[in-house]
Amino acid sequence: EVQLVESGGGLVQPGRSMKLSCAASGFTFSNYGMAWVRQAPTKGLEWVATISYDGSSTYYRDSVKGRFTISRDNAKSTLYLQMNSLRSEDTATYYCTRVEDYYDGTYYYWYFDFWGPGTMVTVSS
Amino acid sequence: DIQMTQSPASLSASLGETVTIQCRASEDIYSGLAWYQQKPGKSPQLLIYGASSLQDGVPSRFSGSGSGTQYSLKISSMQTEDEGVYFCQQGLKYPYTFGAGTKLELK
Repeated sequence: EVQLVESGGGLVQPGRSMKLSCAASGFTFSNYGMAWVRQAPTKGLEWVATISYDGSSTYYRDSVKGRFTISRDNAKSTLYLQMNSLRSEDTATYYCTRVEDYYDGTYYYWYFDFWGPGTMVTVSS
Repeated sequence: DIQMTQSPASLSASLGETVTIQCRASEDIYSGLAWYQQKPGKSPQLLIYGASSLQDGVPSRFSGSGSGTQYSLKISSMQTEDEGVYFCQQGLKYPYTFGAGTKLELK
């Protein structure tokens, strides 16, 4: 059974840093891309960052580029999100997700097939 | 960025009723559309990927269709456990983007 369990959330002051972790089990972690998706309170879903299966490629939404760093340790089956210079608008539940791809013969598409329960990050003074 | 527009924002349906939720992309995303269900206090769960492929374990009353910029999710016979918020997501281009969600309630 695929399991993703986030940790590291909590209350942090604006401008400070926080590091989230996601422990993965039930699948071969090193075979899959992984991503973080966030959801502000009572709001919709927002993709944050993706990392390739081997960590060689990373992608970020513009609003976190230069502040957040996604990384992974395949030996520990763990995904990370280092968040620096946090802002109030970063307040959200952060979900760790497994990335799967689908090829229709012409294009590749990516989607999130398993999600963790999430960890809440509150940025406030 | 590709904008995803869902409609309606909310709806209520009776047991056994057929429900349809729409999602429109701001540009052609070919078949790069996924649907998720989120129940209160829970994380989202994948229902459909590639516009019409049913994720393992998802009941067959859920189906997806569409191409280009227009997509839909259909629930053929509303059940109590189908209450929740449904999101569409395009997976063709970064940044991956989601619709604002459709809240489905039991009438």
